[in-house]
Amino acid sequence: DAKTTQPTSMDCAEGRAANLPCNHSTISGNEYVYWYRQIHSQGPQYIIHGLKNNETNEMASLIITEDRKSSTLILPHATLRDTAVYYCIVRRYSGNTPLVFGKGTRLSVIA
Amino acid sequence: GAGVSQSPSNKVTEKGKDVELRCDPISGHTALYWYRQSLGQGLEFLIYFQGNSAPDKSGLPSDRFSAERTGGSVSTLTIQRTQQEDSAVYLCASGLAGGTSYEQYFGPGTRLTVT
Repeated sequence: DAKTTQPTSMDCAEGRAANLPCNHSTISGNEYVYWYRQIHSQGPQYIIHGLKNNETNEMASLIITEDRKSSTLILPHATLRDTAVYYCIVRRYSGNTPLVFGKGTRLSVIA
Repeated sequence: GAGVSQSPSNKVTEKGKDVELRCDPISGHTALYWYRQSLGQGLEFLIYFQGNSAPDKSGLPSDRFSAERTGGSVSTLTIQRTQQEDSAVYLCASGLAGGTSYEQYFGPGTRLTVT
């Protein structure tokens, strides 16, 4: 699976949009971009995934660049409960393969 | 509905003792994974079960670690002759084969402390 690069940490004001970037310049054509988050003392939680089109669900939006070398996870109205470590993972969509987690981005939502 | 459960939530053991950690996956999920997260480290894959196939043990750090999954449901991770470096949070996840996203659902973890 391709490697990802994320900023170590970010701050966001409560109520504002949180934009978390991820670089995955070596992504291949059959690899998807997944986002998980881990709130303190909990197990990771799936957020969203995508291949090349932008995706949106009740939690977030995922914007993938046309060349697929980078993506941005958007939390449209961040709340204090969104404070967590966010992991961007590139993974082949070929079944239930294990996830390879990097260091992630520690997002702090500030009141 | 019920999520993935793990027991115990916390375990303190002495160096050299054996420990067993239990995972109850979501009912009907055929895929089951064990990960661990050491202090200040990222999540590290340990072992993966998929249906009746042979498990993928490629992430196990040593032969002191083993896992089994009985009846395609409950799984037990066993660590023999524990060492201090085994101290970590052990996370279990399950997934639904053939699902549209292959997402994994994680349990709350077992915090293991080896003294």
